[in-house]
Parts: sequence; structure tokens; C-alpha cells
Amino acid sequence: SQTIHQWPATLVQPVGSPLSLECTVEGTSNPNLYWYRQAAGRGLQLLFYSVGIGQISSEVPQNLSASRPQDRQFILSSKKLLLSDSGFYLCACTGGDRGYEQYFGPGTRLTVT
Amino acid sequence: GEDVEQSLFLSVREGDSSVINCTYTDSSSTYLYWYKQEPGAGLQLLTYIFSNMDMKQDQRLTVLLNKKDKHLSLRIADTQTGDSAIYFCAEIPGTSGTYKYIFGTGTRLKVLA
Repeated sequence: SQTIHQWPATLVQPVGSPLSLECTVEGTSNPNLYWYRQAAGRGLQLLFYSVGIGQISSEVPQNLSASRPQDRQFILSSKKLLLSDSGFYLCACTGGDRGYEQYFGPGTRLTVT
Repeated sequence: GEDVEQSLFLSVREGDSSVINCTYTDSSSTYLYWYKQEPGAGLQLLTYIFSNMDMKQDQRLTVLLNKKDKHLSLRIADTQTGDSAIYFCAEIPGTSGTYKYIFGTGTRLKVLA
């Protein structure tokens, strides 16, 4: 079964600083990968998804970007963070034997000050 | 619209049954899921149901599906304090070619001892 790693687990960054969050997947090849953001006490907002290396689809306009340099690596970035970027960022994947099922990483708590 | 709707809060006493409801959007959704999120953690897949089923039971969990009304419910028997969490329903719309899930807003279950 798939295992998803995310780091860092928590991050406090000042407004205007850059961001790089990393997600790696074990246990499956050629997964679909997803970045979600969850504001405090709220549901999930899909930010980006990827069906293959270098293929990124953006769901919402924002100052964030995503990249997939390797099959099982997904990176979320920003050049200049805003206060509104604070939240809980979750990486997820589908693929493997049960291709429809989506599995989540442990998340990164980002606080922009 | 594309909103999967859930009530925000549910409070039950330990040992009682909990019923969490969800109204989904796409009558052609093939797979419907329930996820559990404990504080500060990622989402954990609890169970799923195929659209050609009316009911699925998995230990203390029972999923009921009413396709006509696009209504999904999760019943937790003998609710325990460890069941306190946020529960999300999710669907994969029939038109989704990339397993893009649509998540509900989440129901926060509080179990009183």
C-alpha cells in the first residue's frame, strides 16, 4: 500500500518569504498526486493535481505553484507568502492496486506571520 | 452546483450510535467514500461504497446509499471517545477522468463520555 511523506510537519514563515513543501510517495508507480489546503475548521480545497511528471493542473488562481520533478515527488512552492496562505496543506495520491482510492499524507501546518 | 453538503457538528454520548449524513452532487458518481480526520492529522480512508450497492457494513460502520436522493450516510455503532474527529464524505464525479474527488465540508463528531 502507498505511504505518503510530507515535510516539514510545521512551518512558521513571515509574509513575503518563499515556500517549499515537499511530498514523496512510496509503494506505487505513476500515481496521480494532489495538493489540498485546509483552512482552520474548514473543508478541503484542491489546489493542484498531477497525472504525470511535469504535468500540473491548477484548480484555483493564487500565488502558489506546484511541480513534479520525479514520478513520486510533488512540490508546492511560493515566491512570496501572504497571510491568507496559512493553513494545513495535505498531499494525496491515487494509484496502485486500488486506483480509485485516495490516500493522504500527514500534512504540513503553515503559519504565515 | 458542485457542493457536497454535510452538517457541521454532531454530538453523541459514548455507547450510542452516530449517524453522519451527506448529500452529494453527481448521480453518475461511481465511488463514494468516508474519511476520518483526527486533530492535526491527515485524512484516513474509513470505508467506501460502490454506486450499485445500497448498503455496506464493515464492523461498527454501516454505509447507506440512496441514489435517488443522492444521499449517503455513515452510521457508527457503539460510538467511542476515540471516534471523535471530523468525518468527510467524498465522491468521484462520473465525468472525472483523473480521480478528482469532491469532498464535503466535514462533520465534526464529538463523543461525550
